[in-house]
Amino acid sequence: NAGVTQTPKFQVLKTGQSMTLQCAQDMNHEYMSWYRQDPGMGLRLIHYSVGAGITDQGEVPNGYNVSRSTTEDFPLRLLSAAPSQTSVYFCASSSPGGANTGELFFGEGSRLTVL
Amino acid sequence: AQSVTQLGSHVSVSEGALVLLRCNYSSSVPPYLFWYVQYPNQGLQLLLKYTSAATLVKGINGFEAEFKKSETSFHLTKPSAHMSDAAEYFCAVSLYSSASKIIFGSGTRLSIRP
Repeated sequence: NAGVTQTPKFQVLKTGQSMTLQCAQDMNHEYMSWYRQDPGMGLRLIHYSVGAGITDQGEVPNGYNVSRSTTEDFPLRLLSAAPSQTSVYFCASSSPGGANTGELFFGEGSRLTVL
Repeated sequence: AQSVTQLGSHVSVSEGALVLLRCNYSSSVPPYLFWYVQYPNQGLQLLLKYTSAATLVKGINGFEAEFKKSETSFHLTKPSAHMSDAAEYFCAVSLYSSASKIIFGSGTRLSIRP
């Protein structure tokens, strides 16, 4: 059971470039989300989805797009990267029961540097 | 709005010593409270959670936390630290039974001295 898989693990971009961070889970979880982790700021929610075809904004959505065409996948798109988006990104998922009790399952993270 | 404050961004203890990581929350109603642990180069994993059942919650790896409403605290403790406990610990709060409403603290890095 792979759990939550994120790719790539590391990426360096130039300002203005676009890219997609991939996230896949094999636990049949309805809830998926993206967080960014910055030093001294904990984790901040970017976007989340409660099921295929349904997405919503979190605390810091600007500069990021998401879609949810399948239960398994929840990609995060940066359309025009900025240095402020340099961060570690985590994808997390949860089952309906888990979502109701806050148990999130995290991927190993994607470290993004924007020059 | 709910919030969570972790006191001390870095805590260092000797192996075998008591571990105490502090977390205070702000909430107008009884919250759901969590501790997550992040080992180096890994994602977060749930350590324990309080959901209005017993006020003393036991988690994995010998950790436990006590919900104290009068102090609005949910401190994490372990009687005897082990080298493998070195990690970053995050306290989190949610007013609702929804993963999208979880607010994470800024984290406390725990170091263990031999």
